[in-house]
Amino acid sequence: EAGVVQSPRYKIIEKKQPVAFWCNPISGHNTLYWYRQNLGQGPELLIRYENEEAVDDSQLPKDRFSAERLKGVDSTLKIQPAELGDSAVYLCASSLGWPAQETQYFGPGTRLLVL
Amino acid sequence: RKEVEQDPGPFNVPEGATVAFNCTYSNSASQSFFWYRQDCRKEPKLLMSVYSSGNEDGRFTAQLNRASQYISLLIRDSKLSDSATYLCVVNQAYGNKLVFGAGTILRVKS
Repeated sequence: EAGVVQSPRYKIIEKKQPVAFWCNPISGHNTLYWYRQNLGQGPELLIRYENEEAVDDSQLPKDRFSAERLKGVDSTLKIQPAELGDSAVYLCASSLGWPAQETQYFGPGTRLLVL
Repeated sequence: RKEVEQDPGPFNVPEGATVAFNCTYSNSASQSFFWYRQDCRKEPKLLMSVYSSGNEDGRFTAQLNRASQYISLLIRDSKLSDSATYLCVVNQAYGNKLVFGAGTILRVKS
């Protein structure tokens, strides 16, 4: 069974430029998460989707970050404009619905470097 | 205070050693607990869940002390392949939200 797919794997951009990340979750997983992981830290949740609904976006910096999950399958996370501090690994994860929801499967991540 | 705190290490141990990691969490209403493993430049993967009664999976034993808000992971007979970062993870009571610690680095050497 295919795991969580993310693209691109690496991205280098200049500050103030836009960037977008794509995620395709494991087939049948209704819940999708976007995390940001800074060097030496654990992943921090940005947004969680249940199907196509964003149920927790309290940690998403809404002035520059946006996300969508059309049709409740794959998802896109966008940053516009990017800042130097946005350099990090952006991880997508998915899980089954309740009660197995707690087991999250992560994709390989997108490494973003903002210059 | 961070919601989940871990000793960052690194823990440098020889093969065959027993090593223990500790973790504390601040939200007393947290409902479930996990250890994830993350290899260098890879994604986190679930290692094991942590139950109040304690649980064991081969060389790995996890313990939970709700009264002290403390979680532990014990690795026996360490292997070179155990070298990784171990993330303590807590599912907070509200919003079914996983909160990750910063991780503890383990290096097993021959």
